[in-house]
Amino acid sequence: DSGVTQTPKHLITATGQRVTLRCSPRSGDLSVYWYQQSLDQGLQFLIQYYNGEERAKGNILERFSAQQFPDLHSELNLSSLELGDSALYFCASSGARGLGELFFGEGSRLTVL
Amino acid sequence: ELKVEQNPLFLSMQEGKNYTIYCNYSTTSDRLYWYRQDPGKSLESLFVLLSNGAVKQEGRLMASLDTKARLSTLHITAAVHDLSATYFCAVDSNYQLIWGAGTKLIIKP
Repeated sequence: DSGVTQTPKHLITATGQRVTLRCSPRSGDLSVYWYQQSLDQGLQFLIQYYNGEERAKGNILERFSAQQFPDLHSELNLSSLELGDSALYFCASSGARGLGELFFGEGSRLTVL
Repeated sequence: ELKVEQNPLFLSMQEGKNYTIYCNYSTTSDRLYWYRQDPGKSLESLFVLLSNGAVKQEGRLMASLDTKARLSTLHITAAVHDLSATYFCAVDSNYQLIWGAGTKLIIKP
C-alpha cells in the first residue's frame, strides 16, 4: 500500500459526459501528479500540483482540468469525454518539491462507451 | 528536451537466465528511478539511484547508474516467473520525471 488513495477505482460512462477523479496523497506529501495510461501504453504526464499551485503541465487536453485543494487532495476533471479517453488514470505523490520518488495510487480505470 | 530510451521494449526469456534492460537518457541528470508495473496494476518503486556509480540490489534485480554515460541498467539474475512485469525507468529533469516507454518482460517457466 503506497498510501495514495484514488477513487473511484472503476468508472464507466458515455461519450460527452463529465467525470471527476479524486486523489488523496500520502500523509505529508505536498506534490500530486496525474498520469494517463492507455491500454498497453506508457505513462503520459498530465499535470503536477505542489501545495495547491500548478507546478507543471504535460500533455493535458483542454477538456481536462485539475486542482489541488487546501487539504492537499486533488481532483482531475474530464469533460466532453471521447472514446479515446478510456484509460487508467494514476495519481502519484511525492514529498519533495517535484523531486524524489513518486508513490502511485491504484489508479482509476475509466471506460467511455 | 530530455529523452529517455529503454531497450529492449519487449523481452521474452526463460526462467533461470540472466538479462539486462538498458535505460539511456539524453541530458545530464543525477537521479534515476526504476519502477515495476504488473498488468492493470499500479506502479511500484524498485530503485532510486541518486549518484554516479550508484548500485542497488534487491533479490534477483540489480540496478546501476553511470551518469557520465547517461546510462542505467537493470540486471535480472536467474529470472523467475514472478518477475514478469513491465519495467519503467524515469529520469529527473528540472523537477519533472521523464519516463521511458517501458520494457515488457515475460519470463517463461
